[in-house]
Amino acid sequence: EVQLVESGGGLVQPGGSLRLSCAASGFTFSSYWMSWVRQAPGKGLEWVANIKQDGSEKYYVDSVKGRFTISRDNAKNSLYLQMNSLRAEDTAVYYCASGDVQLDYWGQGTLVTVSS
Amino acid sequence: QSVLTQPPSASGTPGQRVTISCSGSSSNIGSNYVYWYQQLPGTAPKLLIYRNNQRPSGVPDRFSGSKSGTSASLAISGLRSEDEADYYCAAWDDSLSGPIFGGGTKLTVL
Repeated sequence: EVQLVESGGGLVQPGGSLRLSCAASGFTFSSYWMSWVRQAPGKGLEWVANIKQDGSEKYYVDSVKGRFTISRDNAKNSLYLQMNSLRAEDTAVYYCASGDVQLDYWGQGTLVTVSS
Repeated sequence: QSVLTQPPSASGTPGQRVTISCSGSSSNIGSNYVYWYQQLPGTAPKLLIYRNNQRPSGVPDRFSGSKSGTSASLAISGLRSEDEADYYCAAWDDSLSGPIFGGGTKLTVL
């Protein structure tokens, strides 16, 4: 059974940092592009970042460039999102998903709240 | 503001056929595949249609997708109460170098 389990969310003050993790199992993690997608409360889906199978290519939505860093560890079947200089508008449920635009599997999401 | 445009809401009665539209541009739908995701209340999104009109294993054939030019649509036939959900279209955007989602359509089964 495919599982993607996110962790690391929580309450953080504006300007602060958080590191999200996503543990994958049940599929060949190293064969897939991986993505982070977020959903602000009551809003739609927004792609945040993705990373190639070997980590050699990474892409970001403009609003997080220079603040967020996506990475992966294929030996640990894990995906990460380092989030710095957080803003109120980054408040959302963050999902990890397998794929780049065809997102076959999704985690249950982790809530990030940026507030003072 | 989403680059892909969907109607915010749609509705139908059980057994009816409903369609949801998704409008884009030459840099996304016009030159790339379209994907549809279903998000049931309180759950994570799920891939419903890939590569314009393909269904993943387990998705009923009541769901179908189509694309023409810079627009796409999702059709749901034989509407059931469990189809009540938010539906999102998505496509790669060559200008953004990333995928973009539509704003989502909330489907209500009356």
